[in-house]
Amino acid sequence: QVHLVQSGAEVKKPGASVKVSCKASGYTFTSYGISWVRQTPGQGLEWMGWISAKNGHTNYAQKFQGRVTMTTDTSTSIAYMELRSLRSDDTAVYYCARDRRIADITNWFDPWGQGTLVTVSS
Amino acid sequence: SYELTQPPSVSVSPGQTARITCSGDALPKQHAHWYKQRPGQAPVLVIYKDNERPSGIPERFSGSSSGTIVTLTISGVQAEDEADYYCQSGDTSETVFGGGTKVTVL
Repeated sequence: QVHLVQSGAEVKKPGASVKVSCKASGYTFTSYGISWVRQTPGQGLEWMGWISAKNGHTNYAQKFQGRVTMTTDTSTSIAYMELRSLRSDDTAVYYCARDRRIADITNWFDPWGQGTLVTVSS
Repeated sequence: SYELTQPPSVSVSPGQTARITCSGDALPKQHAHWYKQRPGQAPVLVIYKDNERPSGIPERFSGSSSGTIVTLTISGVQAEDEADYYCQSGDTSETVFGGGTKVTVL
């Protein structure tokens, strides 16, 4: 059974960085990419970007360019998302999800990790 | 970037049919996917590529597409179907979600 298990909740001060991990199991890690999606309190879903677990190629949403870095460790089947220069409006639940895609045509997310709450507060 | 528009809420009685729409200018050229999210839980994929149902998703969930509108249909709604539903679309370099629709089972 495919599972994604994320690291625990974080509390950060404005200007700091956070790094969230996502451990995959139940499938060949390098056969799929990982996307990261966040959900601000009471709001909808926002795609942040994608990383190929096969070759490390990344594609970040324009909004997060320059502030986010996604990496993978194929030896442990763990994906990481680091977000820098945190602001109060970065307070959100951050999800990783296995990214299913057809070439450059379309992609969808299945399954999702349980989510990691990141709180940014002074 | 483009947008996907969903109605904020849909109410339905048990056993009836719920239809949730998602509209967007790029939908005639892009596949759409649907997720169900219950409070405090992660989203779950219920429909992908407009009308494909993942294994383990009940047959009462179906999807359709017509022009700039895609529709998620829940037939014979059950209490456990009460949740937020999100559509998602885009090419692989820019994917967006709709604002979500809260389905209330009366």
